[in-house]
Amino acid sequence: EAQVTQNPRYLITVTGKKLTVTCSQNMNHEYMSWYRQDPGLGLRQIYYSMNVEVTDKGDVPEGYKVSRKEKRNFPLILESPSPNQTSLYFCASSPSPTGTWETQYFGPGTRLLVL
Amino acid sequence: AQTVTQSQPEMSVQEAETVTLSCTYDTSESDYYLFWYKQPPSRQMILVIRQEAYKQQNATENRFSVNFQKAAKSFSLKISDSQLGDAAMYFCAYRTYGQNFVFGPGTRLSVLP
Repeated sequence: EAQVTQNPRYLITVTGKKLTVTCSQNMNHEYMSWYRQDPGLGLRQIYYSMNVEVTDKGDVPEGYKVSRKEKRNFPLILESPSPNQTSLYFCASSPSPTGTWETQYFGPGTRLLVL
Repeated sequence: AQTVTQSQPEMSVQEAETVTLSCTYDTSESDYYLFWYKQPPSRQMILVIRQEAYKQQNATENRFSVNFQKAAKSFSLKISDSQLGDAAMYFCAYRTYGQNFVFGPGTRLSVLP
């Protein structure tokens, strides 16, 4: 089944404790992206990747890191989480970086609470 | 920078009735694409419908249709014969060539039995 998977789905952590949210897609997509969703703000892009070893900042990259060593994986790293990073996070992928018509395929979301 | 606005944070509709969700956007591009996504309580993001800016004909998908007004930069979603399963958060999104998706803040739709 074609899908985007994220782990964990729920995470409670404390301020300053490094964490990684994994994202994997099995559709051989070139483009991958991370979003955070907050009430009243919709989805805001954190980082995106056009292909392996190519990543770039989105609208809200502060406090986050990403890497794209393999085409299928795009982990999101919070080196020192803070309470303002409490949010719902989505990973998404699409076939090509410039396929404007193409929709994005979203993972199931990760609910993060930073105490 | 492109922006997407959804002026209705919440809407409600009676089952079997029709409801229209509003979306406006700001862009200087002439060629772009617009999308409506649905997010039910499961939180999964589901594509509802999409529209190419250079196509004048409004897109339709079963009970879902859009009213695309390019000059007004408006892209509203009409849901006909509303069903309980239509209750969700709806996001309008914009994308142009080589650029990333820009999402609106969302409209929460309730369907009343």
